[in-house]
Amino acid sequence: QVQLQESGPGLVKPSETLSLTCNVSGGSMRSQYWSWIRQSPGTGLEWIGYIYYTGSTKYNPSLKSRVTLSVGTSKTHFSLTVKSVTAEDTAVYYCARGAGGIVVVPAPLNEGFGLWGRGTMVTVSS
Amino acid sequence: EIVLTQFPTTLSLSPGEGASLSCRASQTIGVYLAWYQQRPGQAPRLLIYDASNRATGIPPRFSGNGSGTDFTLTISGLEPEDFAVYYCQQRSNWPPTFGGGTKVEI
Repeated sequence: QVQLQESGPGLVKPSETLSLTCNVSGGSMRSQYWSWIRQSPGTGLEWIGYIYYTGSTKYNPSLKSRVTLSVGTSKTHFSLTVKSVTAEDTAVYYCARGAGGIVVVPAPLNEGFGLWGRGTMVTVSS
Repeated sequence: EIVLTQFPTTLSLSPGEGASLSCRASQTIGVYLAWYQQRPGQAPRLLIYDASNRATGIPPRFSGNGSGTDFTLTISGLEPEDFAVYYCQQRSNWPPTFGGGTKVEI
């Protein structure tokens, strides 16, 4: 069955760029939406954005100016970058299947985040 | 953005008892509400979508209902593995948002 696995550095310095990748194994990214969600004690669960397998994206307005999602050319992974990080970006970052909301192009299995990676802890500190 | 308020914050119960968790939306969201369970050290797991539909593989002791602004997750007969934190999430308006969680503890 499809599995998701996040990877990337666990420590990022303030003002630098955070970059994470989610590897999709055991199945295809085709015709699905893929999201990043983060969780911190202070903010709780926060949806960051989604990318459709074709590359179209939608971001949370609270982060939009600093976030970019992309999908790999092989369609086996997708990535997150967050620019100009601060301590408030310290969180566990999850990748998940689903858009989180009602989308123009319907996709199966889109009624919720039905599949999650195990998460990766990212700390922003000098 | 839509704010989801969950209550109670903590629910202290014993195995075998029933649990009733509430989620209230700051504006009407139809039936576009999901529930997730998160055990310590794990990612959230989808339990219920669109207010009352169980996700694949979720046992029937989990049920959801509600519409508009008020929603309930009911767990009939708590099993030891059900002691966890539960979150609601709305998908009616962008951005999708989550509630602050209810911890079900022994």
